[in-house]
Amino acid sequence: AQSVSQHNHHVILSEAASLELGCNYSYGGTVNLFWYVQYPGQHLQLLLKYFSGDPLVKGIKGFEAEFIKSKFSFNLRKPSVQWSDTAEYFCAVLSGGYNKLIFGAGTRLAVHP
Amino acid sequence: KAGVTQTPRYLIKTRGQQVTLSCSPISGHRSVSWYQQTPGQGLQFLFEYFSETQRNKGNFPGRFSGRQFSNSRSEMNVSTLELGDSALYLCASRERSGSTDTQYFGPGTRLTVL
Repeated sequence: AQSVSQHNHHVILSEAASLELGCNYSYGGTVNLFWYVQYPGQHLQLLLKYFSGDPLVKGIKGFEAEFIKSKFSFNLRKPSVQWSDTAEYFCAVLSGGYNKLIFGAGTRLAVHP
Repeated sequence: KAGVTQTPRYLIKTRGQQVTLSCSPISGHRSVSWYQQTPGQGLQFLFEYFSETQRNKGNFPGRFSGRQFSNSRSEMNVSTLELGDSALYLCASRERSGSTDTQYFGPGTRLTVL
């Protein structure tokens, strides 16, 4: 069965620090990958997605992610975080045969001013 | 376009009762999926509906059911509520365009079972 692992459950950064959140998936075939963000009190929002083509994907709010097939990874990055990036971040893979998203456990990011 | 709407936003029920949650997808989207979010289990897939038919179901007991109407609106029902059913229930509206396949989430219904 497909699975998604997010290595860091809690990350604390100061403003202007760089961010990288790890995500690994278990499926070896064609994958569709996503990062979602859930700000405090708000709904799950799509940050970015990868389906094919350029493995470096740019999303909203300055986020980007790199798909590395050989490492089964899809890490999320941002060069300089802001206090407003405080949220929970979820990596997900679309299970092609079952039309469902399989989510990682999430990473809680706290950015201190 | 308006986003995914879910009603009600909050519900408090007692054990043994049943509950119905509603979801309206983004206009033009015909597929709706439901997920349960809890602190312990994270985000888990419940079921997916397309054109009024359930296409997939997650690993949940039969107390969890759903349906979809001809206007793509969907409802999910939980019967004989248990304390462990307390969760945020999320509805996702699915867009398929060419090779892409993306789900957009609503604000959720927070269910508390006492």
